[in-house]
Amino acid sequence: AQKITQTQPGMFVQEKEAVTLDCTYDTSDPSYGLFWYKQPSSGEMIFLIYQGSYDQQNATEGRYSLNFQKARKSANLVISASQLGDSAMYFCAMSLSGGYQKVTFGIGTKLQVIP
Amino acid sequence: NAGVTQTPKFRVLKTGQSMTLLCAQDMNHEYMYWYRQDPGMGLRLIHYSVGEGTTAKGEVPDGYNVSRLKKQNFLLGLESAAPSQTSVYFCASSRSLQRNEKLFFGSGTQLSVL
Repeated sequence: AQKITQTQPGMFVQEKEAVTLDCTYDTSDPSYGLFWYKQPSSGEMIFLIYQGSYDQQNATEGRYSLNFQKARKSANLVISASQLGDSAMYFCAMSLSGGYQKVTFGIGTKLQVIP
Repeated sequence: NAGVTQTPKFRVLKTGQSMTLLCAQDMNHEYMYWYRQDPGMGLRLIHYSVGEGTTAKGEVPDGYNVSRLKKQNFLLGLESAAPSQTSVYFCASSRSLQRNEKLFFGSGTQLSVL
């Protein structure tokens, strides 16, 4: 069975600093996708970044990058130059194909950016 | 551009009451999902649909029913609400089954069952 583990319930970061949010995953399927979603206090889930299991390079989207270490089964999110608007819950998720989009979510990390 | 719209945003029910949550998407997506979000548990899949007229059970389907009579709408029903169904409910849709396909989420429905 697939599993996503996020071990940091809460994180603080100073504005303009970089922060890494940890995510490890477990699956026996060689083909999978890894996502990060942001959930601000308003509640909606916002897609941030995607990494495929066969992608050779780490994904980047603006200030977001995904540190993908396949052998360690980790997919950490790095946010550079934190902004106050980055304060939110962050969810790591894994997608497997199979009749429908099987997405497993982690329990999330609450990030607070300090001015 | 509306995307995925959920109604209502908030609801309080008494134990035993019934209600229907409506999800509508305007992106012509084939696949739709209902999740519930509980503290410390992440999002869990309740039911999903792979096309108009088809639905299937997800991870936590007990106590819920769904219908997809039209491609753009996916309804989640609670026939007899229980306090254990107090949660935040999210509808999502996706364009395909490709593993790189992201989910598009609605803004959520906060449901309290007293």
